[in-house]
Amino acid sequence: DTEVTQTPKHLVMGMTNKKSLKCEQHMGHRAMYWYKQKAKKPPELMFVYSYEKLSINESVPSRFSPECPNSSLLNLHLHALQPEDSALYLCASSRKALANSPEQFFGPGTRLTVL
Amino acid sequence: AQSVSQHNHHVILSEAASLELGCNYSYGGTVNLFWYVQYPGQHLQLLLKYFSGDPLVKGIKGFEAEFIKSKFSFNLRKPSVQWSDTAEYFCAVNALDSNYQLIWGAGTKLIIKP
Repeated sequence: DTEVTQTPKHLVMGMTNKKSLKCEQHMGHRAMYWYKQKAKKPPELMFVYSYEKLSINESVPSRFSPECPNSSLLNLHLHALQPEDSALYLCASSRKALANSPEQFFGPGTRLTVL
Repeated sequence: AQSVSQHNHHVILSEAASLELGCNYSYGGTVNLFWYVQYPGQHLQLLLKYFSGDPLVKGIKGFEAEFIKSKFSFNLRKPSVQWSDTAEYFCAVNALDSNYQLIWGAGTKLIIKP
C-alpha cells in the first residue's frame, strides 16, 4: 500500500463550525505533514509530526489544531475558520522527518470552502 | 534563505514538441532535488528525484532531469510531450540548511495543445 488517503474530499463549512480533516497512511512512515495549497501556488507547510510528536508548527493560527493519534493517522481540527482559509489541504508522509530523508508522498487533499 | 526559482510560470507547447522547464536553487551545500507534477484535479505526484550519483535522472512518463551542480540547476526535460502532460510542475529542494523541509518553486503551468 503506497497511498496516503484523505477524507473528506470536499468540505464546506461556516465560520462558526467545527470540523476535522483526516489522513491515513500504511507505509510505515514515521513523519506526517499538513500543507495548505492555494490555487496555482505551491504547497505551504503547516505542521510536521515526527514519531507522533509535533516537531514543526509554521506559525499557523490556533484555529487549526493538528493531532496525531498514532503513527498511521493524522487529523486537522478546524474551528472558527475565516473565508481566506479556503484552500486545498494536503497531507503527506515520509519515512522520517528532519533528516536526510527521501521523498514525501502526498494524499489527494481535502478541498475546503469556508463560507 | 534558501530559495527555488522556476523561470517560466506558463509554458504552451504543441504535441510532440520538446520540453525543458528550468529550476534553480540558491543553496550551496548538499541538496536533494525533486520534481512533482499535479495533473488537473489530481494530487501531487513525484516525477523524479535526485539524491546522489548519476546527475541525469530518469523519472516516470518519459521525463528526465539533469543536476548541474556548478549552475545550481535541476532542469526537467521531455523529448516529445503529449496532451496528457498538461499539468502544473513544481521543483522542490531540501537540504540541511532548510532543516530538510521541502522548499518549493512557484510552479510552471504547462499546457499542451492537441
